Amino acid sequence: NAGVTQTPKFRVLKTGQSMTLLCAQDMNHEYMYWYRQDPGMGLRLIHYSVGEGTTAKGEVPDGYNVSRLKKQNFLLGLESAAPSQTSVYFCASSYSGQGGSGANVLTFGAGSRLTVL
Amino acid sequence: AQKVTQAQTEISVVEKEDVTLDCVYETRDTTYYLFWYKQPPSGELVFLIRRNSFDEQNEISGRYSWNFQKSTSSFNFTITASQVVDSAVYFCALSEARNTDKLIFGTGTRLQVFP
Repeated sequence: NAGVTQTPKFRVLKTGQSMTLLCAQDMNHEYMYWYRQDPGMGLRLIHYSVGEGTTAKGEVPDGYNVSRLKKQNFLLGLESAAPSQTSVYFCASSYSGQGGSGANVLTFGAGSRLTVL
Repeated sequence: AQKVTQAQTEISVVEKEDVTLDCVYETRDTTYYLFWYKQPPSGELVFLIRRNSFDEQNEISGRYSWNFQKSTSSFNFTITASQVVDSAVYFCALSEARNTDKLIFGTGTRLQVFP
């Protein structure tokens, strides 16, 4: 059981380049999330999705776009990368965001380290 | 607005010491959920515990225990007889019932346990 898989694990970009981070989960979870982790800032929510075909903004959505065309995949795009987007990106999923027993019990991927020069 | 504060940036202890990680939260909701996650050096975050706002009973799981106090808006985490394997960054997090879609994290506390 792979859980949550993120690709790529590492990437170096030049300012202005674009790229897409892919997140795939095999647990049939409804909810998926993209967070970024920066020193001293903890984890900040970029975008999230409560189901196939839906997306919503989190705390720090600017400069990012997302898509959830298939339930198992959640893509994070950077259209024009900036040095401020240098970070470690984590994808996560959960079966529910409502008050059920598993609500917000997130399963995380291993992270993707992105450097923008 | 929801907010989680972990004032301790880094804590260092020697093995077998007890250590408490503090978490203070802010929310306008009466129904909410509190969490602790662990991020070991490998980097992948792992769920430890979830608590809802109506359940103020303390919880113990092996060497781990959690103290939830609504009066002080705190959800502290204690590790008894710490071990080197406990070295990690620990995150406290909060979600509100009116918007459980979002889980908001604190800035984390890095715990280093020395042999």
